[in-house]
Amino acid sequence: DGGITQSPKYLFRKEGQNVTLSCEQNLNHDAMYWYRQDPGQGLRLIYYSQIVNDFQKGDIAEGYSVSREKKESFPLTVTSAQKNPTAFYLCASSIDEQGNRYGYTFGSGTRLTVV
Amino acid sequence: AQTVTQSQPEMSVQEAETVTLSCTYDTSENNYYLFWYKQPPSRQMILVIRQEAYKQQNATENRFSVNFQKAAKSFSLKISDSQLGDTAMYFCAPPSGIIFGKGTRLHILP
Repeated sequence: DGGITQSPKYLFRKEGQNVTLSCEQNLNHDAMYWYRQDPGQGLRLIYYSQIVNDFQKGDIAEGYSVSREKKESFPLTVTSAQKNPTAFYLCASSIDEQGNRYGYTFGSGTRLTVV
Repeated sequence: AQTVTQSQPEMSVQEAETVTLSCTYDTSENNYYLFWYKQPPSRQMILVIRQEAYKQQNATENRFSVNFQKAAKSFSLKISDSQLGDTAMYFCAPPSGIIFGKGTRLHILP
């Protein structure tokens, strides 16, 4: 079955470390997205990519980096410059630009905790 | 920038009741699509319903339906015969669905 796989489900990071969250899809979707969700909060856009080797910053890109070397993969690196990284991270994909027509398919998320 | 507003941060209703979640949005486009997503306690986001703006008829998916008022830029979600499994966060996504509303936390009480 097609879908989006995020790994790991839980991730612990020490102060000053970079960590990478994986997001893989086999839906043949062109566009992929990363969102951050804090307790009781909505979804805030970190980065998105509409085509391989191209991506755009969202509202809260500082302290994060991404790459899009393959259509199927859109990993997110949380760098040491991100001062408050503890949150739930959701990856999504859409068959069309910005999910305009058919909406998004979401992964199951990664819970990142700074220890 | 396109915006969306969900004015009800949290709601509670008894099982089997009908509940309506509100959403207003801003757009300069004429033809577009709107979406409601559900995030249950498992945190898996699920697409609930989709509305095409150029269609007069409100979208319906089983117990879920929308009240779409294009001129008013309003897109509310109605859940009929609510069930315990409807307990979740509900997010409205505007045209160009990249920016979501803050969500409404819905509790269905037994």
